[in-house]
Amino acid sequence: QKEVEQDPGPLSVPEGAIVSLNCTYSNSAFQYFMWYRQYSRKGPELLMYTYSSGNKEDGRFTAQVDKSSKYISLFIRDSQPSDSATYLCAMESGSNYQLIWGAGTKLIIKP
Amino acid sequence: SQTIHQWPATLVQPVGSPLSLECTVEGTSNPNLYWYRQAAGRGLQLLFYSVGIGQISSEVPQNLSASRPQDRQFILSSKKLLLSDSGFYLCAWTKGTVNTEAFFGQGTRLTVV
Repeated sequence: QKEVEQDPGPLSVPEGAIVSLNCTYSNSAFQYFMWYRQYSRKGPELLMYTYSSGNKEDGRFTAQVDKSSKYISLFIRDSQPSDSATYLCAMESGSNYQLIWGAGTKLIIKP
Repeated sequence: SQTIHQWPATLVQPVGSPLSLECTVEGTSNPNLYWYRQAAGRGLQLLFYSVGIGQISSEVPQNLSASRPQDRQFILSSKKLLLSDSGFYLCAWTKGTVNTEAFFGQGTRLTVV
């Protein structure tokens, strides 16, 4: 079993829809939860990070962490074609130097 | 501001040839440095990381090696490339022991033919 599971998609939705992206994990030691966005042929860039459980909002993006279920989500409201990218979740326990990555979900926003 | 440079962007190499990819970071000191490989449609596979000069940790036994000759320089090498070494290679850096934000280079698309 992988430490972090993420559906690779692709996920295709119409412009303006609410998008839900998810990851599950197995290591209860994870404390930091990140979402990265990667455009084609580019390096990933950090969108948001959350420490422990709870919600965090930044503009159209909301990150949720449910540690009891070992489940994290990223919601995108009013999705735009420019949001089309691969979204990777990443996690860290805070006690070493390694991020553990999901496989990434390819998101396509249709105009 | 901090920047990370990775080159070349694209590389086509024959099987059995050597490889050297270089990554440099500007605007910070003593960064943690990483080499990842990303297969098409896949997540990031950590290859090597370094927390200081000369300190290299390898995560995957393979045909590759890494070196950190200077604080902000990280080099990925191979003596003889295999077809299976093809992929998208990414250099990244973080700061401190809690790595909530990793900064990535633009990546190198390596095709071994």
